[in-house]
Amino acid sequence: EAGVVQSPRYKIIEKKQPVAFWCNPISSHNTLYWYLQNLGQGPELLIRYENEEAVDDSQLPKDRFSAERLKGVDSTLKIQPAELGDSAVYLCASSLGSTTEAFFGQGTRLTVV
Amino acid sequence: AQSVTQLGSHVSVSEGALVLLRCNYSSSVPPYLFWYVQYPNQGLQLLLKYTSAATLVKGINGFEAEFKKSETSFHLTKPSAHMSDAAEYFCAAQEAGGFKTIFGAGTRLFVKA
Repeated sequence: EAGVVQSPRYKIIEKKQPVAFWCNPISSHNTLYWYLQNLGQGPELLIRYENEEAVDDSQLPKDRFSAERLKGVDSTLKIQPAELGDSAVYLCASSLGSTTEAFFGQGTRLTVV
Repeated sequence: AQSVTQLGSHVSVSEGALVLLRCNYSSSVPPYLFWYVQYPNQGLQLLLKYTSAATLVKGINGFEAEFKKSETSFHLTKPSAHMSDAAEYFCAAQEAGGFKTIFGAGTRLFVKA
């Protein structure tokens, strides 16, 4: 079974531009997470989905960040407009239920210049 | 609120030496505990997990960790370091029956030849 797939792997954009990240979770997993990982830090949860429902988005900066998970499978995370401080690695993960371990994708490294 | 502390942002050992990475959690209720490894430009990979069964947990690549409730610790060990163990290691905690996983800041392991 394929793992969690994210694209693109790397993205460089100018500040104030929009950017989108895509995640394809493990097919049997109903729970999907987006994490933010700053340099030298552990991942921090941005949003968690149970199927197509966002059940925890308390850490998502809703003024500029948005996410969707259509049909409870793939998910996209969008930033509009991007700021310099958004430069980080964005990790997607999925799990079979919220109380089991998460499997992570390789991440998207965003650089805002 | 749950928190995870990893002592030492960097640990350096010689090849063949004991690896000890320290992790302490704060919780009144013993949580689920995880160790993940992250190689450069990769996502996180689960090494092992504790879910209130045996206190000594064995994981992949020869790693193991011991849950000590009295010390609120979950230190990661490996008897003999290999060059391929050089990576970033993250300890994480999830409240039993809860949904949010909190990660430590990570410890980078260097292995000297």
